[in-house]
Parts: sequence; structure tokens; C-alpha cells
Amino acid sequence: KAGVTQTPRYLIKTRGQQVTLSCSPISGHRSVSWYQQTPGQGLQFLFEYFSETQRNKGNFPGRFSGRQFSNSRSEMNVSTLELGDSALYLCASSLGSGTISGNTIYFGEGSWLTVV
Amino acid sequence: GDSVTQMEGPVTLSEEAFLTINCTYTATGYPSLFWYVQYPGEGLQLLLKATKADDKGSNKGFEATYRKETTSFHLEKGSVQVSDSAVYFCALSHQAGTALIFGKGTTLSVSS
Repeated sequence: KAGVTQTPRYLIKTRGQQVTLSCSPISGHRSVSWYQQTPGQGLQFLFEYFSETQRNKGNFPGRFSGRQFSNSRSEMNVSTLELGDSALYLCASSLGSGTISGNTIYFGEGSWLTVV
Repeated sequence: GDSVTQMEGPVTLSEEAFLTINCTYTATGYPSLFWYVQYPGEGLQLLLKATKADDKGSNKGFEATYRKETTSFHLEKGSVQVSDSAVYFCALSHQAGTALIFGKGTTLSVSS
């Protein structure tokens, strides 16, 4: 069974531009969440979507947004890119929302974003 | 707010040595606790988890016990292999949402 698929894997953008990252969850999974990983801040939660609704949001500025489609695929968008947005962006999917017993969260390999 | 603290790395061991990576947490209520592993160039993989006090999670020879009295979830393995070289993350989450709060990660390097 295919895992969580993220595209693109690597990209370089210029300050001020915007970027859209895509995530296809494991088939049947309805929850998709996004995390940012940087050497300085580590792994930080961005937001979670379940059945096209944002369920939870981390402490990031409004430049970071996301959405989920009816087929559970998700996109995240970062507008007006800053140098500090350079990071590995990880998408994760799970059957349900929450980390109750049995609801394992699976991560993709991530999208490496470099802002120059 | 909730937080997770892991021992600083890197941890360098010889093959077959005993491994302990310390993890302590600060949280309200009764969070679920997790260990994730990240191999070079890959995403995170769930290694093990525990959802209530005194639970022991185990997988691939790794173990961790949820200790509420000491707010700890230390990762152990009796005999490490070169293939265990990776970054290990301790994390917690409340059942109310999927958000995982991660520690900074501990890099393990095992040599033969």
C-alpha cells in the first residue's frame, strides 16, 4: 500500500514569492497534518485537516495556510516567503483525528524548501 | 504549555552496546507518548507508543515505559546495530487533536 506522498521533494524559491506543497495521504486516511522541521526549532506543528475542515492549528503566522480536498489530498501554501521559511515540510496522515489508541500517524518523506 | 525534553546528542555507540535515550515531558492531563525515528533522507517513522501510565511500548528491540511519576519515557535497546543509526524523536500528544509535540531529537551513530 502506498505511503504518504509529498510533492515536490525539493524546491528553491526567492524571498517574497509564494509556494504550494502537495500531500497525498495513505488511501482511506481522512486526517492530514503538516509539520515544519528546522535545525533551530525542530519539528513544529502547522495544522491538521480532517474531512476538509481544519481541526487544529499551530502557532504560525497567517502566511501559512492549507486546505484539504474531498479526496483527502492536502495542500499547504506559504505566501511572501522569508529566508526563515527554509525548512523540511512534513505531511502526515492517519485514519482518524487524534492520537487515540490504534490511530497511528504516518509521515511522508517531506518537501525540502530553500528560500534564497 | 506542553513540552518534551530529550538528552542532547549525538550518541555514539559500538555495535551490541546498550542504548538509553532520555526523554521527559511537561504536560497537563494524560498525554500519549511516542518515539519516532528518522533515517537519513527519510520521513519520520513511528517506532513505539504508550497511551497511559505504566504502559510499555516496544518494537524492533526498542522499549520505553510511560512513567507518570517521573514524567519520563526513556528509550532503551539492549544491543544496537549499525542499522539503528538515525535521529530519534520523543513526542507527546493529547487525544483531543493530532498535534504532536516533539523533542529536539537525538542523533544516534553506531559503529561496527
